[in-house]
Amino acid sequence: KNQVEQSPQSLIILEGKNCTLQCNYTVSPFSNLRWYKQDTGRGPVSLTIMTFSENTKSNGRYTATLDADTKQSSLHITASQLSDSASYICVVGRSQGNLIFGKGTKLSVKP
Amino acid sequence: DSGVTQTPKHLITATGQRVTLRCSPRSGDLSVYWYQQSLDQGLQFLIQYYNGEERAKGNILERFSAQQFPDLHSELNLSSLELGDSALYFCASSVVGWGAGGSSYNEQFFGPGTRLTVL
Repeated sequence: KNQVEQSPQSLIILEGKNCTLQCNYTVSPFSNLRWYKQDTGRGPVSLTIMTFSENTKSNGRYTATLDADTKQSSLHITASQLSDSASYICVVGRSQGNLIFGKGTKLSVKP
Repeated sequence: DSGVTQTPKHLITATGQRVTLRCSPRSGDLSVYWYQQSLDQGLQFLIQYYNGEERAKGNILERFSAQQFPDLHSELNLSSLELGDSALYFCASSVVGWGAGGSSYNEQFFGPGTRLTVL
C-alpha cells in the first residue's frame, strides 16, 4: 500500500533552535518527494522538490534530504522563527503523476 | 500568493443541500486538481482535470462532481451534503518542473481554499 508516514506528529521548539522532521514512505514507483509548509487554514506552499537522483536540497533555512534506498526523507529547519509555526507535509509523487500525502508534522515555535 | 484563486472563502450550509466551489488556475496552467482536507487529516486527492478533460480520479464520492471550462476555471459540485463533508477544499494548478538528471514532475500551486461547514 502506498503510504507516507511522518514523525513526530507535533513538535514545540524555542525560537532560534533547530529541528528535524522525518518522513518514511512506501510508495512505488517513486518519482519525487516534496515538502510543503501549510499555515493554519491556508493552502500548502512548496518548500522543496527532490527527484530520485537528488539527495539534498535547500531553500533558505530549510534543508531537505532524501535517501531513496531506505525510503526516508528529513526536513531540517535552522534558526527557527515564530513564522515557522505551521504544518509541514511530506508528499511523494509516483511515476504515474499522482501524489501521496503524509498527515503532516505540526510545528510550534515559541518565543 | 500562488496565483490560484478560489471562491468563496467560507461557505456554511445545511445537510442535504448542494454547493458549488470555484477555482481559477494560474495563468497558463492547464491542469486543475481538487483536494479535501478534513480536520486533522491529510490532504485527500479528489479529481484532476487537464485542459477540460478529466485526467485522474481519487477518493471522490459519487455525490461530488467537477468540471473544467474552456477558460480553464473549474468548479467542484457537492450535493446531498452530510455533516462529514465539512472540510477545507483546495484546488491546485500545475506546471511541469525538471529535476536533476532530466526527470520531470508536476509542480502544484495551491489556492487559499474554501472552508465548507455543513450544519
